[in-house]
Amino acid sequence: QVQLQESGPGLVKPSQTLSLTCTVSGGSISSGSYYWSWIRQPAGKGLEWIGRIYTSGSTNYNPSLKSRVTISVDTSKNQFSLKLSSVTAADTAVYYCARDFVWYFDYWGQGTLVTVSS
Amino acid sequence: EIVLTQSPGTLSLSPGERATLSCRASQSVSSSYLAWYQQKPGQAPRLLIYGASSRATGIPDRFSGSGSGTDFTLTISRLEPEDFAVYYCQQYGSSPDLYTFGQGTKLEIK
Repeated sequence: QVQLQESGPGLVKPSQTLSLTCTVSGGSISSGSYYWSWIRQPAGKGLEWIGRIYTSGSTNYNPSLKSRVTISVDTSKNQFSLKLSSVTAADTAVYYCARDFVWYFDYWGQGTLVTVSS
Repeated sequence: EIVLTQSPGTLSLSPGERATLSCRASQSVSSSYLAWYQQKPGQAPRLLIYGASSRATGIPDRFSGSGSGTDFTLTISRLEPEDFAVYYCQQYGSSPDLYTFGQGTKLEIK
């Protein structure tokens, strides 16, 4: 059973960079034809896809966030990571990592709340 | 960008009743690229339906999906107490690579 777990600071100051890591267990991040995605959800609101990475390093980003997002992968640690630069209060949300079966998300992490505040 | 509009925003029903949730796309969506998720408070979304009509592993057969083109439906045949949650539809668009979600339908106990 694949499991995903997000980790990282819960509080980030405005204009700084948000950094999160997702650790995958129960299977190799390199096995199968999967992408690995980040999705976020502001409190009381809907879901927004941020971007994804394939284990080759190939990435796709939401055009609305593309200028501020970097997703990377470390196959030796079975992890992938998110960096979101120049954050504002609008970036406050629960951030989820998920296994991306090309067209849908079949496994999700529990989510981690990131608050942007001084 | 394809916009998904879900209706109704809130649906109030009783256990045992049938629930019909709608997801309408602003442009035609391939059925292969349409999924539904259930989200309970404080939890991550759970995949229910992929490819518009295929149930994910472990999903009870009271959940079914249908539709094509711009109109898709999630049906819960007989509501159980644990089914009351928020439901999201999601589509994948290949140009540019982009996933979008509907705004959600809250299914609440009447």
